[in-house]
Order: sequence, then C-alpha cells, then structure tokens
Amino acid sequence: NAGVTQTPKFQVLKTGQSMTLQCAQDMNHEYMSWYRQDPGMGLRLIHYSVGAGITDQGEVPNGYNVSRSTTEDFPLRLLSAAPSQTSVYFCASSYGGNTDTQYFGPGTRLTVL
Amino acid sequence: SQQGEEDPQALSIQEGENATMNCSYKTSINNLQWYRQNSGRGLVHLILIRSNEREKHSGRLRVTLDTSKKSSSLLITASRAADTASYFCATAPSRTDKLIFGTGTRLQVFP
Repeated sequence: NAGVTQTPKFQVLKTGQSMTLQCAQDMNHEYMSWYRQDPGMGLRLIHYSVGAGITDQGEVPNGYNVSRSTTEDFPLRLLSAAPSQTSVYFCASSYGGNTDTQYFGPGTRLTVL
Repeated sequence: SQQGEEDPQALSIQEGENATMNCSYKTSINNLQWYRQNSGRGLVHLILIRSNEREKHSGRLRVTLDTSKKSSSLLITASRAADTASYFCATAPSRTDKLIFGTGTRLQVFP
C-alpha cells in the first residue's frame, strides 16, 4: 500500500495564479482532510471530507476549494494564490473520522511570490 | 481555539538518555494523540490515548494522561539518534469533530 500520496512535492506560484494540489489514498478511508503547517503555529485544518460528495470547512478555509468525487482522491484548489498561502500543505486520511488516528501524506511545500 | 501546548519547545539529549515532552490543553477532550515529524516529512502517528485511560505504552514510548490537570506527557526511553524529530500533541475536544495540533517539541538526540 502506498498510503497517502501528494503531488507535487514543491511548487512556486506567482500571486494570482491558480493550481491544484493532488492527494490520493489507497486505504479505503472515508475521512480525508487538508492541513497547512506554518512555523510556530502547528497544523491548521483547511477543509475536510467525510465521504465522496461531502465536504466541509475547517479552521482556515478562505482561498481554498475542495471536492470529493471518489473515495480515493481529495484535491485542494487555490483559486488565486496569495503570499499568505505560502506554507507546507498536508493531506491526511482516517478510518474513524477527524478525531481518529490520522495518516499523513509527505506534504507539498508551496511558495507564492 | 483550544490548543495543546508542548513543553519544552526544544530538547537536546545524548543517545541512551530518556526524553520527556509535555502537553497541556484547556478544555475537556475525547482523546489525545502524539505524532512525530522528521525534517521535511509528513507526520507519523505514535499513540492515541482516550480520556478514560491514564497510561499507554508502545515499544520505547510511554504516554500518560492526567485529565484533572489537563496534561499529557510523552516519554521516550533509551533514545537513539533516529529519534531526532519534532513531536506534536493533538487534542480532540469533546463535542467537536476537530483535531487541534500544538506547535511541537523539537528533539535532538546526539550520538
């Protein structure tokens, strides 16, 4: 099993550009989520999904969109990148929900110039 | 929002020594989890301890939970250089479906 995979590993964007961060898991987990990690702030929840077709907002959802068309995939879209979105982004999946054990991907380091 | 706060922020020890990290939180919780993050990598789950449990072990790891003091500790015994990483606690507050991460303890183990 590959677990949780994320692409790309690194990305540099200019302000105003859009892009999609990809996340996939092969553990048949219903729950998936996106976090961002900034220095000194811990991980913060952006969006999450409790199953295909169902998404909800986390703590810091502004500027990001998600969709969940399949159990395996949970892409995160930046509509118009801003320097404040410079961060490391982690996708996670879970069997039992947002408060259960989380399985994290390797992360995407995003820089917005 | 409620957040687990780890203490100390950084810890340096020699191989073979024990490392203790603490986590404090503010409101009642369903469970508390500890994760490890090696530099440049994703987080790896270590232990989940539920609010009705006081202690859990996993190999060289020992986690305690004191709900009356709203605190938890992670003990790594006989540390190795490979234990060098950041360690995060994450709390699942009661009546929510969110996991709140602390800012982590950076552990450096010197050979």
